[in-house]
Amino acid sequence: AQSVTQPDIHITVSEGASLELRCNYSYGATPYLFWYVQSPGQGLQLLLKYFSGDTLVQGIKGFEAEFKRSQSSFNLRKPSVHWSDAAEYFCAVDNFNKFYFGSGTKLNVKP
Amino acid sequence: DTGVSQNPRHKITKRGQNVTFRCDPISEHNRLYWYRQTLGQGPEFLTYFQNEAQLEKSRLLSDRFSAERPKGSFSTLEIQRTEQGDSAMYLCASSPPTGSYEQYFGPGTRLTVT
Repeated sequence: AQSVTQPDIHITVSEGASLELRCNYSYGATPYLFWYVQSPGQGLQLLLKYFSGDTLVQGIKGFEAEFKRSQSSFNLRKPSVHWSDAAEYFCAVDNFNKFYFGSGTKLNVKP
Repeated sequence: DTGVSQNPRHKITKRGQNVTFRCDPISEHNRLYWYRQTLGQGPEFLTYFQNEAQLEKSRLLSDRFSAERPKGSFSTLEIQRTEQGDSAMYLCASSPPTGSYEQYFGPGTRLTVT
């Protein structure tokens, strides 16, 4: 069965520190991969996506993610976190027009 | 591009009542999706429309749930005989007909069943 795993439920980082959020997926083929961010009271906003080609993809707000086929991972990174990055982050896989989401990682940012 | 809109934003209902939610996708987006999100979880796929045709339904969508997209534009999601377990955020998303597989999400309708 298809699944998306985000092993970290909560992460706290200091402002200015680097960030990596983990995502692993379980599929037979290489799916389309996405990261979304959800702030309280806001809809899900797309940060970045991977379809094919270069395995390092750049997104909005200074985020990037790297697809590693051998590890079935699509981890999200940011070199320097800002207080406004505090939100919940979801990894998602598109399998024939159905999105499967991970359970999310809630990011807290310490001043 | 005004984004995906959903109405109402909040709905409180008593167990056993019927509720209906509306989703207006981004214009010219022919694909429309409904998801349900409970606290501490990611969104779960419910159903998918391409134009007016409902092409996919999750097994999560019990017989009490029905969705329509009569003219291929807005969509409605109806829940009959609501149960407390239906309390959740109901999200709508749309995507364009070709090229991008991105889904653009609305702000959601939060349902509370008392």
